[in-house]
Amino acid sequence: QVQLQESGPGLVKPSGTLSLTCAVSGGSISSSIWSSWIRQPPGKGLEWIGEIYHSGSTNYNPSLKSRVTISVDKSKNQFSLKLNSVTAADTAVYYCARRVQTTVNAFDIWGQGTMVTVSS
Amino acid sequence: SYELTQPPSVSVSPGQTASITCSGDKLGDKYAYWYQQMPGQSPVLVIYQDRKRPSGIPERFSGSNSGNTATLTISGTQAMDEADYYCQAWDSSTVVFGGGTKLTVL
Repeated sequence: QVQLQESGPGLVKPSGTLSLTCAVSGGSISSSIWSSWIRQPPGKGLEWIGEIYHSGSTNYNPSLKSRVTISVDKSKNQFSLKLNSVTAADTAVYYCARRVQTTVNAFDIWGQGTMVTVSS
Repeated sequence: SYELTQPPSVSVSPGQTASITCSGDKLGDKYAYWYQQMPGQSPVLVIYQDRKRPSGIPERFSGSNSGNTATLTISGTQAMDEADYYCQAWDSSTVVFGGGTKLTVL
C-alpha cells in the first residue's frame, strides 16, 4: 500500500523560504505518476500548488508559479516543495498527493498533511 | 482563470438524498472529480471522471456532469457522510478546486 508522508519545519519566518519533503513508501515514483502539493489555509478550501512527473516535468498554479519550485529525487523516492518569499497568507496545512495519469487520473492517495505557520 | 463554484452548505435528513453541485464554464466538457474531507483528516477521492467510484467507496455515492454543472449525489445519506466536499477539474494543465460544500446531516 503506497503511503505519503510530509516533513519539514512547522514555522517559517516572513520573507523566508518554506521547504517540505514528501516521502513515498510502499511504491516508487515511477512512470505515469504525478506527485502534487496541495495546501489548505485554516478554515478554508483546497488550493493546488503544483506537480512534478517522474521525469522532472512540472506544472504550477499560475498564481504561485513565480515563488514555487517542486523537485523529485527518485533515488530517495521523495519529492520536495520550496515556496519563497512567504507571508502570513501562506500559513496552511500542506498536503502531498499522488495522481496516476493512466488510471484514475485524480488524487487517490494523500499524505496526512503538515501544518506550516508563517510568523516571526 | 477557470473557476468552480459550490454552495457553501447543504443540509439533508438521514436516509434522504443529498445533492451537491459544482458549476463552471462548460464543465461538462471536462471531467469532474469529488473529494470528501472529514474534520482534521486528509481528503478522500469519492468520484473520479464524472461518475466512477474508487474501490471502497459506497454505492450510495454517485456523480454526473453535463452542461455547466457537475453533481455529487449521496443516496440514503448517513450521519457518517457529514463532511466537506470539494469538486475538482482540470483547466489545461492546471488543477482547479471548488470552494467546498459543508454537508450537514440533521
